[in-house]
Amino acid sequence: KQEVTQIPAALSVPEGENLVLNCSFTDSAIYNLQWFRQDPGKGLTSLLLIQSSQREQTSGRLNASLDKSSGRSTLYIAASQPGDSATYLCAVRRENSGGSNYKLTFGKGTLLTVNP
Amino acid sequence: NAGVTQTPKFRILKIGQSMTLQCAQDMNHNYMYWYRQDPGMGLKLIYYSVGAGITDKGEVPNGYNVSRSTTEDFPLRLELAAPSQTSVYFCASSYSHRVGFNNSPLHFGNGTRLTVT
Repeated sequence: KQEVTQIPAALSVPEGENLVLNCSFTDSAIYNLQWFRQDPGKGLTSLLLIQSSQREQTSGRLNASLDKSSGRSTLYIAASQPGDSATYLCAVRRENSGGSNYKLTFGKGTLLTVNP
Repeated sequence: NAGVTQTPKFRILKIGQSMTLQCAQDMNHNYMYWYRQDPGMGLKLIYYSVGAGITDKGEVPNGYNVSRSTTEDFPLRLELAAPSQTSVYFCASSYSHRVGFNNSPLHFGNGTRLTVT
């Protein structure tokens, strides 16, 4: 059974700092990995999606890496801003022989606070 | 293009009542999903659908039912509500995740916060 762990559960940093959020998964047979942002009282917004054949994806100040063999992904946020404060979740989609891989397994998220 | 729209935003139910959570998407997505999010527990898949007329159970389907009569709509029905169904419910959609298609990210609605007392 796939398990996804995110460390730390909460992180507080001063504005301008570069930071790394971690995501680990127990089963390396994944199809892709997705990082989401969730603001309080809102749904999840997709930030980056990395296919299993890729090593990283970048969007603006965000960079996500994937090491499938070791079961790890990191989300790097450069020059953090107060507007980055939110909960960040990672989710992995499994790969199965049927080619239909609907199930996403989510981590519990990291609550990020960026202080002005 | 509104994306994924969920109604209502909030609802309080008494034990034993029933209700339908509505979800609609205007992106012509094949795949739709219902998740529940409980504090400290992450998101759990309730039901999913790969197209109109096709639905299947996820991890935690007991106490719920779904239907998919159109591509756009995917309502979630709670029969005989129980306190254990107090949660935030999220509907999501994606284009396709089959090999050969573009990897399509999941698009979420803003959720329905349900309390059963």
